[in-house]
Amino acid sequence: DAKTTQPNSMESNEEEPVHLPCNHSTISGTDYIHWYRQLPSQGPEYVIHGLTSNVNNRMASLAIAEDRKSSTLILHRATLRDAAVYYCILRAYNNAGNMLTFGGGTRLMVKP
Amino acid sequence: NAGVTQTPKFRILKIGQSMTLQCTQDMNHNYMYWYRQDPGMGLKLIYYSVGAGITDKGEVPNGYNVSRSTTEDFPLRLELAAPSQTSVYFCASSYLTGGKNEQFFGPGTRLTVL
Repeated sequence: DAKTTQPNSMESNEEEPVHLPCNHSTISGTDYIHWYRQLPSQGPEYVIHGLTSNVNNRMASLAIAEDRKSSTLILHRATLRDAAVYYCILRAYNNAGNMLTFGGGTRLMVKP
Repeated sequence: NAGVTQTPKFRILKIGQSMTLQCTQDMNHNYMYWYRQDPGMGLKLIYYSVGAGITDKGEVPNGYNVSRSTTEDFPLRLELAAPSQTSVYFCASSYLTGGKNEQFFGPGTRLTVL
């Protein structure tokens, strides 16, 4: 899987929007952009994924740049429960192993 | 559904001891995975399975063995525990659905080797 680059940490105030960036300049045409998050002392959980178009679900929105070399995970109103490490991962559609390659992620801190 | 369950939650081993980490999923998923997570790091894949009877190595397989006799269970075996295997171990499962392939993770097993 291609490499992703994320800031080590970010801080947000409760109830405000949060934009978590991810750079993936070597992305290939068939790579899906996935986001997972890991709450303290828990296993990772799926947040959202996309290929080319922006995506929305109940947890977040994913904005994908037109050239697909970067993306942004948007939490519309951060809560204390959103404090977690957020991982941006590229997945090849035909990856036989279907493995997720986790980088260091971004640690999001939410202040009350 | 219970999802992915792992036992035990915590374990302390002495160097050279062996143990099996248990993982069970009740979602009828074909794919199962074992990851380890060292402090402050992302997860690394140890082994994975695409179905009963089929397993393959991931990024860091040395010192571990797996088997997959049923769809539900995917145990991870440590034969000769070493301090370098101190880590948190996560089991995951998924049902391949095109590009999504959402993986569901268990709560983890925290292992310390002294």
